Amino acid sequence: QKEVEQDPGPLSVPEGAIVSLNCTYSNSAFQYFMWYRQYSRKGPELLMYTYSSGNKEDGRFTAQVDKSSKYISLFIRDSQPSDSATYLCAMSADRGSTLGRLYFGRGTQLTVWP
Amino acid sequence: GAGVSQSPSNKVTEKGKDVELRCDPISGHTALYWYRQSLGQGLEFLIYFQGNSAPDKSGLPSDRFSAERTGGSVSTLTIQRTQQEDSAVYLCASSLIGRETQYFGPGTRLLVL
Repeated sequence: QKEVEQDPGPLSVPEGAIVSLNCTYSNSAFQYFMWYRQYSRKGPELLMYTYSSGNKEDGRFTAQVDKSSKYISLFIRDSQPSDSATYLCAMSADRGSTLGRLYFGRGTQLTVWP
Repeated sequence: GAGVSQSPSNKVTEKGKDVELRCDPISGHTALYWYRQSLGQGLEFLIYFQGNSAPDKSGLPSDRFSAERTGGSVSTLTIQRTQQEDSAVYLCASSLIGRETQYFGPGTRLLVL
């Protein structure tokens, strides 16, 4: 079992829809949670960064972390065709020998059609 | 300012040849990471450099893979005797210090024929 699980999709929604992306994880040492967006043939770019549990909102994007369930989510409101990309969840530990390295989900491919 | 840069953008090589991939991190970033992204897979950690500390090499898949970081800046990932399963996108990232936000370069697309 991978440490981070993410449904690869693909996910296809109409413009204006609310998109929900999710990841689950198994390592209770994870404290830092991130969502990256990756366009085709580009490197990942950071969208959201959260420490420990709770919600964080940035414009049309909301990140949620539920550490009790080991479950994180990214919501995109009023989705746009320009949001079409692969979304990768990532997380890292707060302690131990793995400090610093990121553990990624496989990524969810999202298409927003006009 | 300039982001993380990687070269070459694309590399095609024959099985058994050695390749070198270069990463130039953001100026002032002390932490540097290499990841590999195979088709349909998430990013797989390879190696992590933090300042003058010994690198964390725990993600290197075999002894054909090695990396160095000279002068605390530029890093080179070397793959010896390449195999077809080494074909992937190799991504480099840097951060100000370990555990901070990682910024990724565009990657090097390696194809081993």
